[in-house]
Amino acid sequence: AQSVAQPEDQVNVAEGNPLTVKCTYSVSGNPYLFWYVQYPNRGLQFLLKYITGDNLVKGSYGFEAEFNKSQTSFHLKKPSALVSDSALYFCAVRGRGGGGADGLTFGKGTHLIIQP
Amino acid sequence: DAGVTQSPTHLIKTRGQQVTLRCSPKSGHDTVSWYQQALGQGPQFIFQYYEEEERQRGNFPDRFSGHQFPNYSSELNVNALLLGDSALYLCASSFTGPEVTQYFGPGTRLTVL
Repeated sequence: AQSVAQPEDQVNVAEGNPLTVKCTYSVSGNPYLFWYVQYPNRGLQFLLKYITGDNLVKGSYGFEAEFNKSQTSFHLKKPSALVSDSALYFCAVRGRGGGGADGLTFGKGTHLIIQP
Repeated sequence: DAGVTQSPTHLIKTRGQQVTLRCSPKSGHDTVSWYQQALGQGPQFIFQYYEEEERQRGNFPDRFSGHQFPNYSSELNVNALLLGDSALYLCASSFTGPEVTQYFGPGTRLTVL
């Protein structure tokens, strides 16, 4: 069975400072990893994904994530936080088995609060 | 190009009733997945449809069933509603394949009284 852990329920960062939202995963074999963001009363918006290749993945709105196979982590980062980045962030994983039929397994989410 | 759309936006039902939620995928997508997001939790995978068949199912009882139509749109049906079925139900569409990105609709908020 696959699982995702987001160890922080909430992360507080001052505007302009770098931010990191942590994610670790457990899956059989090599993973597909995703980050989504959810604003209040909205669905999930895709930010970025890791499939293979370069461990540093760049995504939407200046976000990036670093895949670390030895630590089974996929932390989300941004060099300079904006107040508008305040939202709920989800990390998700899918294993490479199942012929593409596997659904995503999500973490519980991390509230990111950017203080002006 | 419209994204993923879901209807209705909100729904209130009572225990024991049945409900049908609808989803239209993003143009060109042939695969639809359904998720349940309880308050304060991450989305939980219910099932996925491709070529009008259920391909995989998460840990949900048979009260949850679905359908995919030839135009790739999909329905989620829940029978014998329980209070614990109150949640945001999310539909995601994609092309088929494990590496693809799933794009989510805005969700249907179901409240069971």
